[in-house]
Amino acid sequence: ETGVTQTPRHLVMGMTNKKSLKCEQHLGHNAMYWYKQSAKKPLELMFVYNFKEQTENNSVPSRFSPECPNSSHLFLHLHTLQPEDSALYLCASSQDPGGHNEQFFGPGTRLTVL
Amino acid sequence: SQKIEQNSEALNIQEGKTATLTCNYTNYSPAYLQWYRQDPGRGPVFLLLIRENEKEKRKERLKVTFDTTLKQSLFHITASQPADSATYLCALAAYSGAGSYQLTFGKGTKLSVIP
Repeated sequence: ETGVTQTPRHLVMGMTNKKSLKCEQHLGHNAMYWYKQSAKKPLELMFVYNFKEQTENNSVPSRFSPECPNSSHLFLHLHTLQPEDSALYLCASSQDPGGHNEQFFGPGTRLTVL
Repeated sequence: SQKIEQNSEALNIQEGKTATLTCNYTNYSPAYLQWYRQDPGRGPVFLLLIRENEKEKRKERLKVTFDTTLKQSLFHITASQPADSATYLCALAAYSGAGSYQLTFGKGTKLSVIP
């Protein structure tokens, strides 16, 4: 398997549920990212990890909890979400968090919060 | 406040013509500017990167310009084809500290190439 994979591709959850999104990259990259993409809005960076350490947290509510056990895997744990959290959640990776590096994106998880 | 604007939400052009997409920004000092393509239901795919000290970059039918005085980048697709129909995103990479750059994206322009 190549590139960046994300599971599940679609998720419907209630506001009281707890679920996790998974991302895996097979590119040997050191940096991984979570983005949120809502309709009519630009991609919003949520978290950045470099060598498993979180380097950026863009004022994301605590109901989103990231976890990076190693450089190849990234999780986003979700609990007590709100309907406005419904969006496409994209994972990406790059060689390192330098701006000269292209980012490789996964296909995303389409999340619907009821 | 910082802002990135892509000229229009949607752009329709005739097959064979050159498509020109605009990305303007304010209150940024980007070191790099990147362009991505996004198809419906998929993640963005990297196309081109241009550095702050470069004026122009080309790749096959694609050309990007970067004018740091005007604070603008233009993205051109020559000899456009229906397969070029997609949403195109510009992204600015600005230094955020501790050796990291943060990519900030525009909303995108949806390009439709009409046969």
